[in-house]
Amino acid sequence: QKEVEQNSGPLSVPEGAIASLNCTYSDRGSQSFFWYRQYSGKSPELIMFIYSNGDKEDGRFTAQLNKASQYVSLLIRDSQPSDSATYLCAVNNDMRFGAGTRLTVKP
Amino acid sequence: DAGVTQSPTHLIKTRGQQVTLRCSPKSGHDTVSWYQQALGQGPQFIFQYYEEEERQRGNFPDRFSGHQFPNYSSELNVNALLLGDSALYLCASSLGTGHGNTIYFGEGSWLTVV
Repeated sequence: QKEVEQNSGPLSVPEGAIASLNCTYSDRGSQSFFWYRQYSGKSPELIMFIYSNGDKEDGRFTAQLNKASQYVSLLIRDSQPSDSATYLCAVNNDMRFGAGTRLTVKP
Repeated sequence: DAGVTQSPTHLIKTRGQQVTLRCSPKSGHDTVSWYQQALGQGPQFIFQYYEEEERQRGNFPDRFSGHQFPNYSSELNVNALLLGDSALYLCASSLGTGHGNTIYFGEGSWLTVV
């Protein structure tokens, strides 16, 4: 069974701090990795994707991929209350999702 | 640029009934995938359609079936509804089925089975 694991949280950080979200996956052949944000009652929206080992930055967001250790993480710098949502990690084209990590950013 | 559209947005069905959910992909996209998301869970992959054929399928029973039309729109059918089928059903579209192709979600159809 190909699994994608995330800590369900909740993860709480103060406004302006760095939020770190982690995801591990079991299928060593996985090639593409995605982070989605989902507000309560809404559909997931893409934040960013990463294919290669290392870091990929997009504004306040940085995705980190380590294929040898089979984990992918998302860092959110200067966290804002509007970042409070559930963050979903997804792997490959069939988009196997983790259960998501609920993030709360406190003013 | 029209995004992914789904209908209906909410519906209530009785156990044993059948339901059909509809999806129009984002303009320019030719691949449609369906997901089931129960409360507090991540989306679970049901199946993917490309060129009017089911290309991949997740771990869902045969009660879940689908169709893709020549205009790339798609339907999800669920027969013999169970209480446990109550969930948000998400449609997502992409261009092609390659591993790196980004998918975009519609707003979903909320199904309640009573």
